[in-house]
Amino acid sequence: EVQLVESGGGLVQPGGSLRLSCAASGFTFSSYWMSWVRQAPGKGLEWVANIKQDGSEKYYVDSVKGRFTISRDNAKNSLYLQMNSLRAEDTAVYYCASQYQLRKFDYWGQGTLVTVSS
Amino acid sequence: DIQMTQSPSSVSASVGDRVTITCRASQDISSWLAWYQQKPGKAPKLLIYAASSLQSGVPSRFSGSGSGTDFTLTISSLQPEDFATYYCQQANSFPFTFGQGTRLEIK
Repeated sequence: EVQLVESGGGLVQPGGSLRLSCAASGFTFSSYWMSWVRQAPGKGLEWVANIKQDGSEKYYVDSVKGRFTISRDNAKNSLYLQMNSLRAEDTAVYYCASQYQLRKFDYWGQGTLVTVSS
Repeated sequence: DIQMTQSPSSVSASVGDRVTITCRASQDISSWLAWYQQKPGKAPKLLIYAASSLQSGVPSRFSGSGSGTDFTLTISSLQPEDFATYYCQQANSFPFTFGQGTRLEIK
């Protein structure tokens, strides 16, 4: 059974940092693109970043470029999102999602809530 | 960035009804469109990819069509478990973008 389990969310002050993790199991992690997708409270979905199977390519939405960094460790079947210079508008549930084929989000984790507030 | 616009924003329907949701892209995205279902407090679930391909395990009452800029998701006979919010997503180019969502409510 495919499982994606996010962790690392919480309350952080504006300008602070947080590192999210996503533990994958039940599939060949190293064969998949992986993404982070977020959802602000009561709002729609927003793709944040993704990373190629071997980590050689990374893409970001403009609003997080230079502040967020996506990475992965295939030996640990884990995906990460380092978030720096956090803003109130980054408040959201962050989901990790797998992409066997780049053009669809096959499986999703349950999400982890990040709240940026003083 | 490619803008995705769904219509309607919300729709009320009854069990057994046929429902169609429309998604329009601001530019040609070929067939690179996916549809997701999300229930309150849960993660989205992939229903349709490449505009018309049914994801494994998804009931056949769900179908998708379209290409270019105009796409539709059809639920042929609504079941109680289908009441949820539906999102389209373009996968033609970065940044991947989603529609604003269509809330399907019980009439």
